[in-house]
Order: sequence, then C-alpha cells, then structure tokens
Amino acid sequence: DTAVSQTPKYLVTQMGNDKSIKCEQNLGHDTMYWYKQDSKKFLKIMFSYNNKELIINETVPNRFSPKSPDKAHLNLHINSLELGDSAVYFCASSQGPGRKEFGSGTRLTVV
Amino acid sequence: GIQVEQSPPDLILQEGANSTLRCNFSDSVNNLQWFHQNPWGQLINLFYIPSGTKQNGRLSATTVATERYSLLYISSSQTTDSGVYFCAVREDSNYQLIWGAGTKLIIKP
Repeated sequence: DTAVSQTPKYLVTQMGNDKSIKCEQNLGHDTMYWYKQDSKKFLKIMFSYNNKELIINETVPNRFSPKSPDKAHLNLHINSLELGDSAVYFCASSQGPGRKEFGSGTRLTVV
Repeated sequence: GIQVEQSPPDLILQEGANSTLRCNFSDSVNNLQWFHQNPWGQLINLFYIPSGTKQNGRLSATTVATERYSLLYISSSQTTDSGVYFCAVREDSNYQLIWGAGTKLIIKP
C-alpha cells in the first residue's frame, strides 16, 4: 500500500493553462505539505495544512492554491501556468511535527 | 533562521566502500531527518533522529544535538545507494523543515 500517493506523476502542459495535482495519504497523519524542488534539487516548502487548516503559507504566487477537503487529502491547483513553474512537486505528510513521509513527486513541465 | 550545511557536496565511491555524510546545523533543533532521493527522483525517509544513534541494515545515523551535527554512515555501498542524501531539521517554533543542499553520492560498479 502506498502511504502518500500523488497524481499525476508527470504533467506536461502549455503556458496559461490551469492544472491540479492530487495528494492522498493513508497514514492517518494530521499534517500535509506541498514542496517544490527546483532544478538545483533544493526543496522549498510551499504550504502546510494541519487538520485541514493552513498553517504555513510561504511566499508563492497566488496562482497556487491548496485545497484540503479532509485530513487525508491536500490538492494543489495552479492557475495560469508559467514556464518558471516547471519543477518537481512533492506532497508529504506527518503526524504533527514528526517524521515526514513523501509522495513520489509530480514532474511538471510547462511549455 | 537555522542554517543547515551538508558535506561533502559530491562523493564518488566504488561499490563495497564505506562512506560518512555530515550535516551541521546552526541552532538547537528537536527534529532531524535524513532522506535519500534516488536517481528516479523518489524521496525516501531514512531516519528520524533528533538525537542518539539508529541503525537500519547497512545504514546508520548518529545525531549529537549538543554539538549540532549528524552523521549518516553507509557501509558496503551498492549501486542502488546512488542519489542525493538530504538532511532536514525542524526549528523549535514551527512545523517547517529546513533542508540542507544535499550530498550527491555516486556508487560505481
């Protein structure tokens, strides 16, 4: 059983489109995250939700909007995609501030 | 904020060799994790080790919180150990993980 699953694994889309990446965890964790990994492999946190409430919202364009329908899901919606949005996006979860488990990543390519 | 430095930045070894990766951090932390990102991009949590020593097969990790460093040991390296190893720490005050820049490990057959 996959603990943290995100879909799709790969996403190629044109500039200006709107797209969503879905994330689900079956670990019973109460906190979920979205990270962006840039071309230099550096991981930056974007958002964190605890029990469906936003607790971290780093400086990202407001074209990025997280949605948490329940504790087990945190989806990332991106409007008006730009070339610079191309990256690998990772979803993660943890119980409180503890050990994080990561999804396998979504490689987004904007053309 | 906390600074996290990893060394070495790159490491190339022959299969069967042992290696030690280091993570230094600039302030007290109550959460330290080691991750392995394999060549396919998958991030795997290796250890959750705010202090002390843990072992998992050929891998072990030691964190000396009072001296602000952690070490990851890989013994009898295999080609599947290749990838980037990240250290990440959490500040006391919030949930945010602060990541090091990683050590890129290449194991040659």
